[in-house]
Amino acid sequence: DAGVTQSPTHLIKTRGQQVTLRCSPKSGHDTVSWYQQALGQGPQFIFQYYEEEERQRGNFPDRFSGHQFPNYSSELNVNALLLGDSALYLCASSKGQARGYGYTFGSGTRLTVV
Amino acid sequence: LAKTTQPISMDSYEGQEVNITCSHNNIATNDYITWYQQFPSQGPRFIIQGYKTKVTNEVASLFIPADRKSSTLSLPRVSLSDTAVYYCLVGDGNQFYFGTGTSLTVIP
Repeated sequence: DAGVTQSPTHLIKTRGQQVTLRCSPKSGHDTVSWYQQALGQGPQFIFQYYEEEERQRGNFPDRFSGHQFPNYSSELNVNALLLGDSALYLCASSKGQARGYGYTFGSGTRLTVV
Repeated sequence: LAKTTQPISMDSYEGQEVNITCSHNNIATNDYITWYQQFPSQGPRFIIQGYKTKVTNEVASLFIPADRKSSTLSLPRVSLSDTAVYYCLVGDGNQFYFGTGTSLTVIP
């Protein structure tokens, strides 16, 4: 049973560039949420996608955008990268808009902005 | 905001019971409380979830008082492999909030 798959696992980008991170949800799950986790901090909610629409959003600027595809996979896009965007980006999938419970997390993408 | 507060760190000897409390004053009426375990460079792993009173599964128990403004994760007889960061997750109707996390170190 495949869990949540994220790619790439590691990424190094230059300040000002754009990046796309990808997530395939666990089989049977239809909702994808994205979190940003800075070193030594708890994960911060970015947004949630359900039925190909952004349903909820955290306190992140418009530089952070996303997309969900018909097969429930999702992308997180970050434009005009800042050094402060360096973090572990976590994707969590769930069945329906689980409102925080029933999440299965991927292992994350470690983004380093230089 | 459903700000959550947890102790930053805890130490425990192997075989002891560990209780970690999370305070969440503004939890939404219809939201659950969920606890996760996270090892370095891995995503959080679901431990237990509850709405009120007490919930028990094969690895932990969760105690939630009637006012739901806090919750306590109880880990019975911890082992070295339980050394990790533990987070509570709650919602306020708009967003979901992880706590600051409690770093648990189990000592032989």
